[in-house]
Amino acid sequence: ETGVTQSPTHLIKTRGQQVTLRCSSQSGHNTVSWYQQALGQGPQFIFQYYREEENGRGNFPPRFSGLQFPNYSSELNVNALELDDSALYLCASSLAGQVPPDTQYFGPGTRLTVL
Amino acid sequence: AQKVTQAQTEISVVEKEDVTLDCVYETRDTTYYLFWYKQPPSGELVFLIRRNSFDEQNEISGRYSWNFQKSTSSFNFTITASQVVDSAVYFCALSEAVDGNNRLAFGKGNQVVVIP
Repeated sequence: ETGVTQSPTHLIKTRGQQVTLRCSSQSGHNTVSWYQQALGQGPQFIFQYYREEENGRGNFPPRFSGLQFPNYSSELNVNALELDDSALYLCASSLAGQVPPDTQYFGPGTRLTVL
Repeated sequence: AQKVTQAQTEISVVEKEDVTLDCVYETRDTTYYLFWYKQPPSGELVFLIRRNSFDEQNEISGRYSWNFQKSTSSFNFTITASQVVDSAVYFCALSEAVDGNNRLAFGKGNQVVVIP
């Protein structure tokens, strides 16, 4: 096990609602990255958080937002949910400032279903 | 822009056979990093191996081995003497060291089915 935890495990929401997903990073890691994995696809990078600020963003609209807390845990918030937001949401933790960059270790994911 | 291609979608092998997964990547950077992750039915992505672009030495780790060929932009992964527990989806991923952001770009994955 990586030590990265995510909650909740599963979530069902309806279109238009808002959702918050949570991630606790592995001990000693200060960076959290979020990925969206649609069924049958590879994970897609949403954004990364370091020092409580967004540090890079993928091709996702502003209704996807996040936070990082002083203990390095993180939240992913999605507003105005759409059916296509149904996916497995994965977070990964790593240690910034490493050369070469640190490997990202993933949590078990949150399965979001939007009806 | 970066891109990772895993051409084979599903591969079935009989237990104890070897299985090789192909990965071809595209990048404009001279420094980059390649990974293989395993995703069992539980959903968690499990890190297996990584290779830095500046190190072309191929290695073996237990039943896993990999073949990194910079000239053909390929990073193939082999499981020797497959076991039923190897049944999973395997993802190849590329990370470029730009803007202090080591985001991963994943291929679509290879579903490996090991038949007992």
